[in-house]
Parts: sequence; structure tokens; C-alpha cells
Amino acid sequence: QLVLTQSPSASASLGASVKLTCTLGSGHSSYAIAWHQQQPEKGPRYLMTINSDGSHSKGDGIPDRFSGSSSGAERYLSISSLQSEDEADYYCQTWGTGIHEFGGGTKLIVL
Amino acid sequence: EVQLVESGGGLVKPGGSLRLSCAASGITFSNAWMSWVRQAPGKGLEWIGRIKRKTDVGTIEYAAPVKGRFTISRDDPKNTLYLHMTSLNSDDTAVYYCCTGYSGAFEFWGLGTMVTVSS
Repeated sequence: QLVLTQSPSASASLGASVKLTCTLGSGHSSYAIAWHQQQPEKGPRYLMTINSDGSHSKGDGIPDRFSGSSSGAERYLSISSLQSEDEADYYCQTWGTGIHEFGGGTKLIVL
Repeated sequence: EVQLVESGGGLVKPGGSLRLSCAASGITFSNAWMSWVRQAPGKGLEWIGRIKRKTDVGTIEYAAPVKGRFTISRDDPKNTLYLHMTSLNSDDTAVYYCCTGYSGAFEFWGLGTMVTVSS
């Protein structure tokens, strides 16, 4: 079963950095994932894809403040120089044969 | 620029049916694997199904909660994706998004259309 686990919430101060984690379930640690941002009252926006080796490719127009990395079954989204507009829900997504799955999302609060 | 525009949402009674559309531009629609994703009020994202391009046999896959009730189809000459929903219940109340990408990631999203199932 393809499962992604995210912490429900995270917080960090304006101008600081934060690292969000998405954990792949047992047996799927080699899978790539994608990160999506959903600002309040808006639709999701693709941020980047992260491969198991940590390489990542970002969507058009995504600032350099956003980066990704990987370790084992964990995939990370790092955001530096936090801005107020970064306060949003962040979802990870993965895919397999005939299926896509999302993590439960992490609500990021910028203090 | 890739644009996906959903339409067809609205209020429907329990047990009723509804057809959503997603008009695509800025992509070679006939080559795209297209998905529908929904989001119930205050909840997370839920993938509900995908249709592959015709050169990949146009295979359609559904998530368990909608299998047998929802049907995904496509009209490549019209660059349009459809979601036909039947036997709707309150659990189907959500914003419905169409999305696609060049790999398995959903790189492009529409703005969504709201479906409310209520008597």
C-alpha cells in the first residue's frame, strides 16, 4: 500500500527557515514524490519533484528559496527566508502503477 | 502557458448525477495523462482517477471510493476531459480539480469547480 505521512502542522518565524518532511511507506522508499503548495482559498500549485537520490526539478517560477532533498524514505521541502505568503498547506504526492496518493498535508504557520 | 479550466459544478441532490468538464490549452492534450483530484471542505487532496492517452490504450483507473459510480472520459479533438458522477452522496461534496504533468507529478492544476451534494 502506497502511503505518505506528513506532520499536520509546522511553524517558523518570518525570515527564518523551515524543513517539511514527507515519509514514504514501507517498501516504497525509492519512489519519487512531488510537493504542492496550497495557499488559503486557492487551488494547489506544483512546487517540485524530488527523486530518491535527492535530485529535484522545480516548477516554473518557483523561487530559489524553495529546495528539496531526500534521505532514505524521507523527502524534504526546505523553505528559507520565510515570507508571509509561504503560510499555506503543503502536500506531498507520489504515484505508482494505476494509483496516485497524497500525504495528509502540513499546515505551515509563519509567525 | 498551460491552462486547465473546470466547469459543471453545482448543487445536486443525494442520488443524483453531474458531469464535470475540464478544458485544456497550452498542452498537447492528446498526449496527456489526465487526472481528477478532489478536496472536501477542510480536508486534504484525494486522487479519484486518471485516463491515459489513446496511444496508451486510453486506460482508465479509479480510486476505490468512486469506482463503479464515476466515469472519466476524454474528447481529444475538443481538448476536454470529463468526469461523469452518479449516485452522489454527501461524501462527494468537494472542490474537483483536473490536473496533469509530464511525469507522474501533477505539474499543472485547474482552479477547481465546487460540487455540493445536499437535499
